[in-house]
Amino acid sequence: GIQVEQSPPDLILQEGANSTLRCNFSDSVNNLQWFHQNPWGQLINLFYIPSGTKQNGRLSATTVATERYSLLYISSSQTTDSGVYFCAGEGGSNYKLTFGKGTLLTVNP
Amino acid sequence: GAGVSQSPRYKVAKRGQDVALRCDPISGHVSLFWYQQALGQGPEFLTYFQNEAQLDKSGLPSDRFFAERPEGSVSTLKIQRTQQEDSAVYLCASSFSHGRETQYFGPGTRLLVL
Repeated sequence: GIQVEQSPPDLILQEGANSTLRCNFSDSVNNLQWFHQNPWGQLINLFYIPSGTKQNGRLSATTVATERYSLLYISSSQTTDSGVYFCAGEGGSNYKLTFGKGTLLTVNP
Repeated sequence: GAGVSQSPRYKVAKRGQDVALRCDPISGHVSLFWYQQALGQGPEFLTYFQNEAQLDKSGLPSDRFFAERPEGSVSTLKIQRTQQEDSAVYLCASSFSHGRETQYFGPGTRLLVL
């Protein structure tokens, strides 16, 4: 199966700062999603983005499928952005998502 | 509309006890997935259903784990003779059709085996 690497593993920001989270895949993926896991454990869908660029408010994501990576941008970060961010991909002929280990983001006031 | 729901939200079991975890997918969603998330890790795939058919169970860690979706909607994950290493959060996800699209996750069941 595919391998998913996320960086950085931990990130501490001051409120208002911008950040970039990265996800590398060992092979091409058909399905790529970014999630935010809140302190209660709920995985919240951010983007379904197997290729291209999408934006939703202060968040945007870009996937370069040919180079097997995806980036999540968070601008003007807020304390409520804190939590773990996961990317996950599905490769080959199966449908299961393979997750990275996540990036733990802490936004301080 | 309602999202994916799971019950119970928390379960404490004594080692050796059998447990059953329930997942109600989004209405009309064809595909249903179970994942296991250990503390500090990303979720890991357990099994996949398309309607009532279990198409992939390659992630189930042992034959003590069993999942079913008899009518193509609600699914149950059963763990027999629970062990301490089964302690984890069990997440259910559903997607509209064939699975190669957005998967929506439930809140999870946090299982603690003592």
